[in-house]
Amino acid sequence: AAGVIQSPRHLIKEKRETATLKCYPIPRHDTVYWYQQGPGQDPQFLISFYEKMQSDKGSIPDRFSAQQFSDYHSELNMSSLELGDSALYFCASSLRSGTEDQETQYFGPGTRLLVL
Amino acid sequence: AQSVTQLDSQVPVFEEAPVELRCNYSSSVSVYLFWYVQYPNQGLQLLLKYLSGSTLVKGINGFEAEFNKSQTSFHLRKPSVHISDTAEYFCAVSVRDSWGKLQFGAGTQVVVTP
Repeated sequence: AAGVIQSPRHLIKEKRETATLKCYPIPRHDTVYWYQQGPGQDPQFLISFYEKMQSDKGSIPDRFSAQQFSDYHSELNMSSLELGDSALYFCASSLRSGTEDQETQYFGPGTRLLVL
Repeated sequence: AQSVTQLDSQVPVFEEAPVELRCNYSSSVSVYLFWYVQYPNQGLQLLLKYLSGSTLVKGINGFEAEFNKSQTSFHLRKPSVHISDTAEYFCAVSVRDSWGKLQFGAGTQVVVTP
């Protein structure tokens, strides 16, 4: 079965540079979530989208922005990168099907960002 | 707000022995409960979930978990582990009917040795 696709898988940037992470949800899934996992930490929710509208917002820095497009893929834009932004960034997707399973999030493999 | 506590940060276990990973949560509203596994340098894979119905849920790779509402717990068990079960295990909750974020516990590192 098709899974969530994230690109790139690895990214190295310098401080103060920008980065764009992409997420392609499972086909027909309409909701996308972004999480950040620092070294040795649990994933922290950043932001989510449903039908191209922001659905929920967590601890996302103002330097970060995200959007969901008409084909449901999503992009996380990160500017003025700091050393502390080095982390694994996960995208997850779900389908608001009207059943309880709509609450199940399926994760991609993550993008590992290293800021030097 | 919801919170998740995984009581053990690391659990060493011998191959073919049973393992139990403890998870407690607190929430003022109804929640859904999940266990995810993260193998080294990989993403998060859904092991199992409790949405409603039977409180004993079975997942992939021989894992099962029991939802206990009175104790607000969702402990994960496997009767006989393999070396390949070495991984980080995360318990997570989301608020029912909110399509909302997952709140994760700090994770439990399971190390299986021969």
